[in-house]
Amino acid sequence: DGGITQSPKYLFRKEGQNVTLSCEQNLNHDAMYWYRQDPGQGLRLIYYSQIVNDFQKGDIAEGYSVSREKKESFPLTVTSAQKNPTAFYLCASSIMVTGPGYTFGSGTRLTVV
Amino acid sequence: SQQGEEDPQALSIQEGENATMNCSYKTSINNLQWYRQNSGRGLVHLILIRSNEREKHSGRLRVTLDTSKKSSSLLITASRAADTASYFCATGGETSGSRLTFGEGTQLTVNP
Repeated sequence: DGGITQSPKYLFRKEGQNVTLSCEQNLNHDAMYWYRQDPGQGLRLIYYSQIVNDFQKGDIAEGYSVSREKKESFPLTVTSAQKNPTAFYLCASSIMVTGPGYTFGSGTRLTVV
Repeated sequence: SQQGEEDPQALSIQEGENATMNCSYKTSINNLQWYRQNSGRGLVHLILIRSNEREKHSGRLRVTLDTSKKSSSLLITASRAADTASYFCATGGETSGSRLTFGEGTQLTVNP
């Protein structure tokens, strides 16, 4: 089955710690994205990548970093510089940036303890 | 930046009734898409309508697009309890390489 896998489902972070969220897709999609969703809110774009070894900042990139060394993988690191990281993180992919439709993973819920 | 704005923010109806959600946007688009999100899960793509289309159907879903008013509506007919979810519109810009921008969603509750 083709799809997009995020892990872990739940993640707890201590103050001052960096954590990495995994996102893997086997859809052969060129474009991948990371979104943040706060309770009752819409999606805000953190970073996106149109092709391997290239990525662009979204609307709320501060305190986050990404890499795109393989087409299938787009990990997101939440650094200690992100002061309010508790949120639901969603990874998505599409054939290209303009769509036509995005496929989403099932999300990672990050909580600061 | 959020381009699409859904209305209403929340909608509660009885099973069997129709549900209508609206989306307004600000800039020119080449397509508009609707997604569904069950609580605590990822989004699922429902339907895409291109800027040169006015109406599109998929099963119990009907989407309309009025580019002159910069608005779209999603109609779910004969709703079921399983339709309870958040529904988001997303717009794709006209420029090449323009990625989707999501609205803040409508929370639909269908009561059995």
